[in-house]
Amino acid sequence: DAKTTQPNSMESNEEEPVHLPCNHSTISGTDYIHWYRQLPSQGPEYVIHGLTSNVNNRMASLAIAEDRKSSTLILHRATLRDAAVYYCIPIMNRDDKIIFGKGTRLHILP
Amino acid sequence: DGGITQSPKYLFRKEGQNVTLSCEQNLNHDAMYWYRQDPGQGLRLIYYSQIVNDFQKGDIAEGYSVSREKKESFPLTVTSAQKNPTAFYLCASRQGWPRRFNQPQHFGDGTRLSIL
Repeated sequence: DAKTTQPNSMESNEEEPVHLPCNHSTISGTDYIHWYRQLPSQGPEYVIHGLTSNVNNRMASLAIAEDRKSSTLILHRATLRDAAVYYCIPIMNRDDKIIFGKGTRLHILP
Repeated sequence: DGGITQSPKYLFRKEGQNVTLSCEQNLNHDAMYWYRQDPGQGLRLIYYSQIVNDFQKGDIAEGYSVSREKKESFPLTVTSAQKNPTAFYLCASRQGWPRRFNQPQHFGDGTRLSIL
């Protein structure tokens, strides 16, 4: 299984951009990188995913390093509602086993 | 609306008792999952199923059992062999083969299990 490394916690000011890093140096060439977030007392929700190139959607942007050993989730303008635990997860194309790490707890300061 | 329904929201277990957590999805997804989350921790995979009548152990399957008799249902039984069952249990589903590689998981709202 591909392993990921994320900071335990990060802090950001409201209305400023946030860059959440993830190292996944053991990822294989065809594994997608998914990001989820979990608000307090809720199940995780999907944020974004990518394979090789950078991706944008209405929630966030995903920047993937050229060697694919790391990626960065970008929240362009953080709000208090973005305070959550963010998980970076490699999705293998070999089976459906999906493992969550401990994620990064993001605190947003008003 | 399509989604995943977990019930009950709160569940209490007596010592030595088996309890079953329900998970139903109407998304027509092939793969289903059960995770356990302890306070302040990440999710740990208990069991997952890629297709009806088949399932695989995750990282912490001891003390748990599952069945997958129908595509839309994946109940989890917490047996008396699970000595520390107090946790938040989350069920998820995902589109299976052949489109699974870039398909996200969808999660239910969870069941909180406590010991009486």
